Amino acid sequence: DAGVIQSPRHEVTEMGQEVTLRCKPISGHDYLFWYRQTMMRGLELLIYFNNNVPIDDSGMPEDRFSAKMPNASFSTLKIQPSEPRDSAVYFCASSFGVLDYGYTFGSGTRLTVV
Amino acid sequence: DQQVKQNSPSLSVQEGRISILNCDYTNSMFDYFLWYKKYPAEGPTFLISISSIKDKNEDGRFTVFLNKSAKHLSLHIVPSQPGDSAVYFCAASAQNNDMRFGAGTRLTVKP
Repeated sequence: DAGVIQSPRHEVTEMGQEVTLRCKPISGHDYLFWYRQTMMRGLELLIYFNNNVPIDDSGMPEDRFSAKMPNASFSTLKIQPSEPRDSAVYFCASSFGVLDYGYTFGSGTRLTVV
Repeated sequence: DQQVKQNSPSLSVQEGRISILNCDYTNSMFDYFLWYKKYPAEGPTFLISISSIKDKNEDGRFTVFLNKSAKHLSLHIVPSQPGDSAVYFCAASAQNNDMRFGAGTRLTVKP
């Protein structure tokens, strides 16, 4: 298995533009998580899905952020419009059921909004 | 609301010595705790975990200790090696499978 795959690895965009981050979880995993890492706040949970259904989106900063999981093998995190303070590394992670071995993270997408 | 706190942003130790990374949590519903290691430009990777029914879990050079009454856990690395240099994240989860992370501690092991 290739692990959790995120794209793009790096994204530089101008303020006000729409940004879409993509994630392919590990096949068979029924949980998918989106995290954001910043220097100030470390790793923050934004939203997570169970069997493609959003369970908790209380970590989504504001209405500019939205996430979808149209099927078990794909999820997107969209920011529209983007702002400089959205600059961070965004991680996607997936897991199956019980956390015996924790989550498997993707390599992250480094977003820079200028 | 930081439910998981790692109050030391960085730690430097000499190769061969013990590294102790600390983590505190506030939510008494947490029943599963994990440590992740993260190298630059990579995603965090799972290192070791502990259930709230235990107070110690050991895996090779890595041992995690849990003190439920103090809501505190620690990761011990003995002996520390230069390859252990990374950012270590403490994480905690309640039964709803929602994991919260600390801000991380950057460990530097000097040769």
